[in-house]
Amino acid sequence: GDSVTQMEGPVTLSEEAFLTINCTYTATGYPSLFWYVQYPGEGLQLLLKATKADDKGSNKGFEATYRKETTSFHLEKGSVQVSDSAVYFCALTPGYGGATNKLIFGTGTLLAVQP
Amino acid sequence: GAGVSQTPSNKVTEKGKYVELRCDPISGHTALYWYRQSLGQGPEFLIYFQGTGAADDSGLPNDRFFAVRPEGSVSTLKIQRTERGDSAVYLCASSFIDTEAFFGQGTRLTVV
Repeated sequence: GDSVTQMEGPVTLSEEAFLTINCTYTATGYPSLFWYVQYPGEGLQLLLKATKADDKGSNKGFEATYRKETTSFHLEKGSVQVSDSAVYFCALTPGYGGATNKLIFGTGTLLAVQP
Repeated sequence: GAGVSQTPSNKVTEKGKYVELRCDPISGHTALYWYRQSLGQGPEFLIYFQGTGAADDSGLPNDRFFAVRPEGSVSTLKIQRTERGDSAVYLCASSFIDTEAFFGQGTRLTVV
């Protein structure tokens, strides 16, 4: 079945460092891809999304490009801040129809940014 | 309300007991989703409502789990004969059709 694999954490970076969190997927059809973020004490929030190959999603300085040839959707940010510390989840919705928000999540990656 | 509200925020119950978890979606959202998040894992889909009906319940793990949404707004997830393996954070999300889903903060269920 469809699945998402993302790099294990925790990822610990200093402020202003470059961030990459790897995500690869397995899916039939044409999935949509998402990054969700969960800040401490808060609910899951959509960070960015891409709905077709070569689309780039971006938000709050984060970006990810839908790469069909490598089945990847890696999250990047050029300069992280302490406030970016959170758990990041890569997810997809299957491309064969059904509920738009029937999400399949990866296991999450904890990012800790130190001042 | 302003966001998706889930109650209680924490629930501790004894093995074998029955529990109900409540979700108040964002007003007007027709779609409602339940997910379960075990420790160290990502959320797993349980069930999806469109209006009052369960459009997809393929994620419910067994017949001890049941969910309702009788008036197309509030939803209740019901777990019978709870087991220690049911311990997890249960998340609810709501949306309009084909738009972003908004998640609640979840109910942490602990079965002792």
